[in-house]
Amino acid sequence: GAGVSQSPSNKVTEKGKDVELRCDPISGHTALYWYRQRLGQGLEFLIYFQGNSAPDKSGLPSDRFSAERTGESVSTLTIQRTQQEDSAVYLCASRQEGRSGANVLTFGAGSRLTVL
Amino acid sequence: GENVEQHPSTLSVQEGDSAVIKCTYSDSASNYFPWYKQELGKRPQLIIDIRSNVGEKKDQRIAVTLNKTAKHFSLHITETQPEDSAVYFCAARTSGGYNKLIFGAGTRLAVHP
Repeated sequence: GAGVSQSPSNKVTEKGKDVELRCDPISGHTALYWYRQRLGQGLEFLIYFQGNSAPDKSGLPSDRFSAERTGESVSTLTIQRTQQEDSAVYLCASRQEGRSGANVLTFGAGSRLTVL
Repeated sequence: GENVEQHPSTLSVQEGDSAVIKCTYSDSASNYFPWYKQELGKRPQLIIDIRSNVGEKKDQRIAVTLNKTAKHFSLHITETQPEDSAVYFCAARTSGGYNKLIFGAGTRLAVHP
């Protein structure tokens, strides 16, 4: 597609439920990032995928958070047993490697998660 | 790991004035420093970036300076306009096998007509 697509755009869930967020990167972009943005706050790094290398999971806040990506395609971020403090916008971004402009992150519109 | 500090958290200026936002980073091996602008309710978008082999870069009313020795970099916006009002994020990319981008906490810039 022309841009990074994320779904759902909005998700309201009850505390304790599991949620799955999806990111479709730009075709051909080998690098994919997940960030969390709480209301009025900055971009908190969660996880980074680069091609077929092992992902950098150093930003995941707890073992309730996990993410997967198969090759250079779709990624899913899963939050188990959601807590109210998980409420945030989850932003996905992708980046192309090996070409001019490869440093530029293209962000999706985000998935707004509200945990009641 | 890399840590990026950004100041100020909020900045209010009159239209036509200049605005300066400053960031410091901790990893001396970081080699790439972009700035992203996020308008209300929208996604962050790159406005300018600089590599570690350059000390300054300019694009129309926007410029970025980098001091590698002090490990800080700054965004300068001249002749500010109301449409410059947004949250600005600096970031630093770590070097090595993982190219993760760490962002500062953001600066909310308000330009008053």
